[in-house]
Order: sequence, then C-alpha cells, then structure tokens
Amino acid sequence: EIVLTQSPGTLSLSPGERATLSCRASQSVSSSYLAWYQQKPGQAPRLLIYGASSRATGIPDRFSGSGSGTDFTLTISRLEPEDFAVYYCQQYGSSPRAFGGGTKVEIK
Amino acid sequence: EVQLVESGGGLVQPGGSLRLSCAASGFTFSSYWMSWVRQAPGKGLEWVANIKQDGSEKYYVDSVKGRFTISRDNAKNSLYLQMNSLRAEDTAVYYCAREWLVLSWFDPWGQGTLVTVSS
Repeated sequence: EIVLTQSPGTLSLSPGERATLSCRASQSVSSSYLAWYQQKPGQAPRLLIYGASSRATGIPDRFSGSGSGTDFTLTISRLEPEDFAVYYCQQYGSSPRAFGGGTKVEIK
Repeated sequence: EVQLVESGGGLVQPGGSLRLSCAASGFTFSSYWMSWVRQAPGKGLEWVANIKQDGSEKYYVDSVKGRFTISRDNAKNSLYLQMNSLRAEDTAVYYCAREWLVLSWFDPWGQGTLVTVSS
C-alpha cells in the first residue's frame, strides 16, 4: 500500500508569490499516476492535475505539476486570492488509491 | 453540465444503518466507474468503494468490507452506498465521484452528505 506524505503542512504566502507543494510516495507511483486536488472550506475537492502534469479542463496555467517515481510537485506560479485553499495529492497507480494528508496554503 | 448530488446523510446511532444516494446528470452515467470517497471532520480524504459500469465489479477499502455495499441503478442514473454496522469512525462527509478508468482520478465530485455516527 502506497503512503503519500505532503509537505509542508501549511504554507504561508502573499498573493503574487510562488507556491511549491511537495508530495512524496513511500514507493514508486507507476506511470506517474498522480493527481492533485484543491479544496476550499465547505466545498468538494476539485481536480487540478492528473497524470502528474496534465491540467484538468478549465484549470488556469498558473497551476503546474511535475515529478515522477516517488517525488511530485505542484507549483502555483503566482498566487491569486482564490488559490488559498487546501491541496491534496492522490495516487491511482495501485490499489487502494491513496491521498496525501494535504497542504494548506494560507494568506501571510 | 455534469452534476452529482448526494443525499441520505444524517445522525445514526452506533450499530445502525444508513443508505446514501447520488443522483447523476449531464453525462452518460452507465459509461463510467463510480466511487464513494469520505472525509472525516477536519481530516483528509479516504477512498471508500467503487463500482464498474455494469455493477459486475466492486471494490472496498478494508475498513468497510463486510459492512458497506456499493450499488448502482443505471436506469435511474443513481449510485448508492448501503452502510451497516456503523461506527463512530465512519463519521464523515461522503462524496460520490466519477472515475475515468478502473484506477483513476476523481472528477467531478458531488457536494457531499454528512454522516454522523453518535449515541
């Protein structure tokens, strides 16, 4: 069973700054089967990235994903006010699918 | 517009049962695997169960095996989760979500329904 560890737990940044979120897997994620989601308070998660680096429909290009094997990164190039939220990674290369514990991006 | 709307959550005593429903619209429901994912209050996300397009394959996380049953009615564009022998640790918001493959990402998600197991 793959365990995903996200870091940092909380990221305090200002609008306009760059955010770099990490997701590390306990073993290699096959075929870069990794997704990223954004969740705002009281809302359902929203898919941002799948296949480690492919943006979902309607997702702005300030969001980008990279990585392979056990190390993956979500980058938000310039934070907009609506980007302050919790972000989760998820692997779907093996069963059971697992989520990371989340990274909260908060306003500094 | 693709939409998933859950219902059926509520307060139930430990050992009790509850049936969740998810109404799908805006896409060909019978063409997709579907999942339930839950989120305990203030916690992260946990995949619970999924079901193949025709209902012939079903998979569960170990912690709910033998207690929860996922099902679907393609004629009604609906997904269900029958939850029996509920425990306090089952307290969570339950989301239904569409999948793109048998092992896949989830997109989109419903708004969720809260299940509280407490005496």
